[in-house]
Amino acid sequence: QSALTQPPSASGSPGQSVTISCTGTSSDVGGYNYVSWYQQHPGKAPKLMIYEVNKRPSGVPDRFSGSKSGNTASLTVSGLQAEDEADYYCSSYAGSNNFVVFGGGTKLTVL
Amino acid sequence: QLQLQESGPGLVKPSETLSLTCTVSGGSIGSIGYYWGWIRQPPGKGLEWIGSVYYSGSTYYNPSLKSRVTVSVDTSKNQFSLKLSSVTAADTAVYYCARIMITIFGTEARGMDVWGQGTTVTVSS
Repeated sequence: QSALTQPPSASGSPGQSVTISCTGTSSDVGGYNYVSWYQQHPGKAPKLMIYEVNKRPSGVPDRFSGSKSGNTASLTVSGLQAEDEADYYCSSYAGSNNFVVFGGGTKLTVL
Repeated sequence: QLQLQESGPGLVKPSETLSLTCTVSGGSIGSIGYYWGWIRQPPGKGLEWIGSVYYSGSTYYNPSLKSRVTVSVDTSKNQFSLKLSSVTAADTAVYYCARIMITIFGTEARGMDVWGQGTTVTVSS
């Protein structure tokens, strides 16, 4: 069982927006602004899409955005494209004892 | 451009020790502001953080694996390593190494910005 809770699946049509949630506790998501999101295509390594809740690394399209409210973080993908179909994982700093925790992952399907 | 490459045996027998090395190229493992970590992914499952090391040798471990894990760094070779003892079939996974951005004045993990391609390790007799 993962430390952070994500819905197993999400879907949307091309051009639409979809939001994926990531729920933790006050010891991880709610306690720090160090939530990150990763995109993983089949057979590939994860790719950092969002860090520190809402910052995008260079090269990540601005269609990807992040936010947080309380113990729940969210990733929004706007203007869905076929290549956005992938698994998405959230992660959070969780203090000096746990350091890093992951969510169970969400499979995003572009219909 | 920083690159990470995992290496090590693809097959390990039950009860033995899994050993992997991550070689860092295009940058220094001694750079301030980064931990270096190991993450694994069992077949068809999600990501699990295993442990992380700073260039100074300071480490953090997943509490659920702490009794079996050792992560170490060799700055002279620009490498860091993972040892996981007493393995079982449940340790079968793709193992990734990654660079973890941390806060300058603390050790909070900000995100993992560079990943290796991953290496598959199967535990079987």
